[in-house]
Amino acid sequence: EPEVTQTPSHQVTQMGQEVILRCVPISNHLYFYWYRQILGQKVEFLVSFYNNEISEKSEIFDDQFSVERPDGSNFTLKIRSTKLEDSAMYFCASSFQIHSGQYNEQFFGPGTRLTVL
Amino acid sequence: GENVEQHPSTLSVQEGDSAVIKCTYSDSASNYFPWYKQELGKRPQLIIDIRSNVGEKKDQRIAVTLNKTAKHFSLHITETQPEDSAVYFCAAPWGKTGGGADGLTFGKGTHLIIQP
Repeated sequence: EPEVTQTPSHQVTQMGQEVILRCVPISNHLYFYWYRQILGQKVEFLVSFYNNEISEKSEIFDDQFSVERPDGSNFTLKIRSTKLEDSAMYFCASSFQIHSGQYNEQFFGPGTRLTVL
Repeated sequence: GENVEQHPSTLSVQEGDSAVIKCTYSDSASNYFPWYKQELGKRPQLIIDIRSNVGEKKDQRIAVTLNKTAKHFSLHITETQPEDSAVYFCAAPWGKTGGGADGLTFGKGTHLIIQP
């Protein structure tokens, strides 16, 4: 069964450094998302992406964040200048919309644990 | 945006008993309510979802009920088994596009513990 994959599984970085988290969504999916989960807390929506542009973004997704689909398979999240509070598990997800205006299952990747020192 | 409240935060039940987890939402226009199960260190996985045109949906030991008037929905697990132990999250659409572009707003999660 196809799965969303993410790399790396764990990223350690120094405060102020840039990081890029990578995701390969399921191949026929059209919608892509990033979420984060601070340890022991709920999953929080960051951004959704469709047709090579951002569809929605939450207040967490400020100017330090950007997303890109550089080729036909990868979907990346870049954090320009990491802060201590960016430490979290970052999940990528994807979904395949069958009908306009209908929700479909979002499939999550295994996550990248980001640790900012 | 949507606000989702989830209770209880921890639920301990004896193996074989039923478990019920409840969520409320704030936006009366929301029309899709998924439930995700997350085992320790693993990715969230969808276990069941319900759309606003039905009041109940069942899948073997799992059922979800929806009360649109009261803006709450519940997860019911019957005949609980040790492998049901996990954190369960309810969710609702974050935005208002009405489709795939919407992210999800999650509840804070319920840690379900199945006692042998």
